Amino acid sequence: DAKTTQPPSMDCAEGRAANLPCNHSTISGNEYVYWYRQIHSQGPQYIIHGLKNNETNEMASLIITEDRKSSTLILPHATLRDTAVYYCIVRVAIYNAGNMLTFGGGTRLMVKP
Amino acid sequence: DSGVTQTPKHLITATGQRVTLRCSPRSGDLSVYWYQQSLDQGLQFLIQYYNGEERAKGNILERFSAQQFPDLHSELNLSSLELGDSALYFCASSTPSGGRSDTQYFGPGTRLTVL
Repeated sequence: DAKTTQPPSMDCAEGRAANLPCNHSTISGNEYVYWYRQIHSQGPQYIIHGLKNNETNEMASLIITEDRKSSTLILPHATLRDTAVYYCIVRVAIYNAGNMLTFGGGTRLMVKP
Repeated sequence: DSGVTQTPKHLITATGQRVTLRCSPRSGDLSVYWYQQSLDQGLQFLIQYYNGEERAKGNILERFSAQQFPDLHSELNLSSLELGDSALYFCASSTPSGGRSDTQYFGPGTRLTVL
């Protein structure tokens, strides 16, 4: 699986958009970009994933550059409850193929009042 | 709530002992993954089972073993415990979500403390 690079920490004001970048310059054509977050010591929570098109769900938006070498997770209106470590993971995602998630250091997002 | 359940929530035991952690996957999920999160190592993949069969192995110690039962719940057995085994242990299950992608959903974890 391709390696990802994320800033170790970011701050965001409550109510503003949080834009979390991820660099994955060695991504392969069949690798998806996944985002998870972990609030304190809870289980990682799935946020969103995409292959090459931008994706949006009730939690966030995922913007993938045209060359797929980087992406941005956008939380449109950050709240204090969005304070967490956010992980960007790139992986081949063939069901039942033994493709585990490889977590890096992630970005520690602090949402401030 | 991800739909993945893990028991117990907390476990405190002594060095040299053996413990069993239990995971029930989301309804319909056939694949179960185990991960370990310690302070110095971050989240690391241990092992995956699919429909009762071992499918992939990560950095799992020989003192650790796992199995998946016919009802699809899984157990992670940790033996000859050492202080360094103190960690959070997470289980995840997955289901195909259209096309070729699959998404893993994590349980709340078991916090193991070895004294």
